[in-house]
Amino acid sequence: QKEVEQDPGPLSVPEGAIVSLNCTYSNSAFQYFMWYRQYSRKGPELLMYTYSSGNKEDGRFTAQVDKSSKYISLFIRDSQPSDSATYLCAMRSSGNTPLVFGKGTRLSVIA
Amino acid sequence: DGGITQSPKYLFRKEGQNVTLSCEQNLNHDAMYWYRQDPGQGLRLIYYSQIVNDFQKGDIAEGYSVSREKKESFPLTVTSAQKNPTAFYLCASRTSGSNKEQFFGPGTRLTVL
Repeated sequence: QKEVEQDPGPLSVPEGAIVSLNCTYSNSAFQYFMWYRQYSRKGPELLMYTYSSGNKEDGRFTAQVDKSSKYISLFIRDSQPSDSATYLCAMRSSGNTPLVFGKGTRLSVIA
Repeated sequence: DGGITQSPKYLFRKEGQNVTLSCEQNLNHDAMYWYRQDPGQGLRLIYYSQIVNDFQKGDIAEGYSVSREKKESFPLTVTSAQKNPTAFYLCASRTSGSNKEQFFGPGTRLTVL
């Protein structure tokens, strides 16, 4: 079993839809959870960062962490064509351990 | 203008040649990382360094080498021993501390002909 599992998609939705992106993980020591957005041929940019369980909201984006289920989600409300990108989940345990990444989900928002 | 720079954006090399990819940051970050990205493979960690003059192997270090002589610089050498060097290479950095975010550079696309 891989440490972090993420459905690669592709996921195609109409403009204005609510998008749900998810990752599951196996390492119960993970405490820090991140979502990155990556446009084609660009470096990933940090979108959301959550510590431990709970929700975090930033504009149209909401990140959720359920440590009991080892499951994290990113919700995008009112999706826009500019949201079309690959979304990577990443997580790590305490200290300075390196991030472990999911393989990314490719999202297309159709106008 | 603070950030992480990688140069060049595109790099072409002949098979059998060593090539060095540049990564520089002016964010005063302690830790720096190199990843390789292939289609459908996600990000795979090659090497990382948490302090100057020290670095550790990641998951796919074979065929690569690094140095960390200065805090702001972490060059990656792709050697001729790397069997499939064509890929998108990403450098990242962060400040030490459990709750610190990690940021990425723009990447270098290496093509070996």
